Amino acid sequence: KAGVTQTPRYLIKTRGQQVTLSCSPISGHRSVSWYQQTPGQGLQFLFEYFSETQRNKGNFPGRFSGRQFSNSRSEMNVSTLELGDSALYLCASSLVTGSSSPLHFGNGTRLTVT
Amino acid sequence: QKEVEQNSGPLSVPEGAIASLNCTYSDRGSQSFFWYRQYSGKSPELIMFIYSNGDKEDGRFTAQLNKASQYVSLLIRDSQPSDSATYLCAVTGAAGNKLTFGGGTRVLVKP
Repeated sequence: KAGVTQTPRYLIKTRGQQVTLSCSPISGHRSVSWYQQTPGQGLQFLFEYFSETQRNKGNFPGRFSGRQFSNSRSEMNVSTLELGDSALYLCASSLVTGSSSPLHFGNGTRLTVT
Repeated sequence: QKEVEQNSGPLSVPEGAIASLNCTYSDRGSQSFFWYRQYSGKSPELIMFIYSNGDKEDGRFTAQLNKASQYVSLLIRDSQPSDSATYLCAVTGAAGNKLTFGGGTRVLVKP
């Protein structure tokens, strides 16, 4: 069974630009979550989508947004990029939403903002 | 106070010994507890999850949960150099699927 697939693996953008990251969950998984990982802040929750609806949102500014499609694939968008947005963005999928469903992570997209 | 706390390490253990990792959490309503392993430059990999008080064993790994003390631990028996990685404790609250991660404990297994 294929794992969680994230594209692209690496991105270099300049301040003020916007970026879209893509995530394809494990087949059959309907919940997709996004996390940001930085050396200083560790892993921080961005948002979770289930059945095309945002179920949970972390403490990030409105520049960070996402969506989920009917096939459970998800995209995350960051507008007006700032230097501090440089991070590893991880997508994780689970069978269903809810606290007991383990998350499985993709390989991540490493975003560098210059 | 951080919601999920771990000692950052590094925790240095000799090959073949037991590595003991600890994690405390602040939300008494937390329901599910997970341990992830992350190698440098890689994404987190699920090792174990535990929902009920007590011990849960899977191969060389044992997770221990004590909800009264708001404490979860991971034991790695017969540690191998390939176990050298950062181990992340993660907790979900009553609200749903949002995972809150600790900062991770770096483990070094020396041959």
